[in-house]
Amino acid sequence: SAVISQKPSRDICQRGTSLTIQCQVDSQVTMMFWYRQQPGQSLTLIATANQGSEATYESGFVIDKFPISRPNLTFSTLTVSNMSPEDSSIYLCSVGEEYGYTFGSGTRLTVV
Amino acid sequence: EDKVVQSPLSLVVHEGDTVTLNCSYEVTNFRSLLWYKQEKKAPTFLFMLTSSGIEKKSGRLSSILDKKELFSILNITATQTGDSAIYLCAVERFGNEKLTFGTGTRLTIIP
Repeated sequence: SAVISQKPSRDICQRGTSLTIQCQVDSQVTMMFWYRQQPGQSLTLIATANQGSEATYESGFVIDKFPISRPNLTFSTLTVSNMSPEDSSIYLCSVGEEYGYTFGSGTRLTVV
Repeated sequence: EDKVVQSPLSLVVHEGDTVTLNCSYEVTNFRSLLWYKQEKKAPTFLFMLTSSGIEKKSGRLSSILDKKELFSILNITATQTGDSAIYLCAVERFGNEKLTFGTGTRLTIIP
C-alpha cells in the first residue's frame, strides 16, 4: 500500500496565524483527501484535491479558510488560515487504493 | 445524506474476552464498508467489505457485512491490551471516492 509522509506531526499555534500541513505520497495518485477530526469526534472530509484543478470542498468548508495546493501527483498541502481555538483538531490526508484508503500519520494542531 | 452509526460508543472488557462492534449505515449507491483502528492519530486499515455474507478474517479479527439489513460487525476474539483503540467504520459510494465515517467505538481492554 502507499506510504504517506505527513508534516508536521504536531504544532501549537497562536490564534490568527496560519499553518500549512504537507503530505508526500510514495506513488502517483489521482486524488488526495483532507480530513479533520475534532476532539472526541469522528473524521470529517474537508476537501478532495485533484492535480491540476481546484479542490472540491465539502459543505461547511471554504477555500479561504482551508486553501489546498496539489502541484503534482505525489504531493499536497492544506493550510489552516486565521486560526481560532475551534480549529484545534487532528488533520489527516488520505489516498484511495484498490483495497481501501491509506492515511497519513496525522497532524495534531492546538490553537491557543 | 450518507449516515453511519456505530455502537456501542465505548466498551470496557477484560483481556481474553470476545467483543462485537456494530456499524449500521444508510448510503445511496453503496460500494464498500471499511473498518479502521485508530490508536493515536492515523487510522490503520483493517477490512474492506463489498459483498454480503462473506466473512473477512485476519488473525483474531473478523468482519461480515449484511447488505440487506445495512449493517456490519467487527469481532475481536481473545482480546489483548494492544487492541485498545477507537474502531471506526466508514462507507464509500460508487462514483464518489470519499468516505463517510461513523463516530467510532472506543474499546478499552483491562489486563
